[in-house]
Amino acid sequence: EPEVTQTPSHQVTQMGQEVILRCVPISNHLYFYWYRQILGQKVEFLVSFYNNEISEKSEIFDDQFSVERPDGSNFTLKIRSTKLEDSAMYFCASSTQGLQSNQPQHFGDGTRLSIL
Amino acid sequence: GESVGLHLPTLSVQEGDNSIINCAYSNSASDYFIWYKQESGKGPQFIIDIRSNMDKRQGQRVTVLLNKTVKHLSLQIAATQPGDSAVYFCAENRGDSSYKLIFGSGTRLLVRP
Repeated sequence: EPEVTQTPSHQVTQMGQEVILRCVPISNHLYFYWYRQILGQKVEFLVSFYNNEISEKSEIFDDQFSVERPDGSNFTLKIRSTKLEDSAMYFCASSTQGLQSNQPQHFGDGTRLSIL
Repeated sequence: GESVGLHLPTLSVQEGDNSIINCAYSNSASDYFIWYKQESGKGPQFIIDIRSNMDKRQGQRVTVLLNKTVKHLSLQIAATQPGDSAVYFCAENRGDSSYKLIFGSGTRLLVRP
């Protein structure tokens, strides 16, 4: 069964450094998402991406965050200057259509980001 | 993929019994709901979904029930197996062309052999 894959599985970074989290969505999917989960808290939406542009973002997704689809397969999340509170599990997801078309989002296994 | 909170509600069932996991959602305008399963070290795995024009949907060994009057969603797992042990999340989409899922806080299911 096709899967969303994320790399690395664990990223340790010094505060203030830039970090890029990588995702390969399912190949025929057109909609891409990032979520995060701080330890002990709920999974939170960050951003959705379709047709090479952001379609929706949350309040969490401020100027320090950016997303990119640099080629036909990868989808990345960049945090420019990491803060301690960015430590979380980051999940990438993808779907064939938007939620209005009854198409669920399929998630990868996440990247654990630890900021020191 | 730890989705663990120290205060996750836990449901403990005997192997072979049926499990019912409940979820209260927050917004009466929500029109699409998904149940996800999350095993330790993994991401949320799609189980079953339901749109608000339905009140029941069945899959393999799973049934989702939706009660819009009281904004309540449940997941029923028949003949629960040890492999069903995981954290289960409900997620809602609030429509209005929104792309985001809003997750609940999860329920841990423990299956006793």
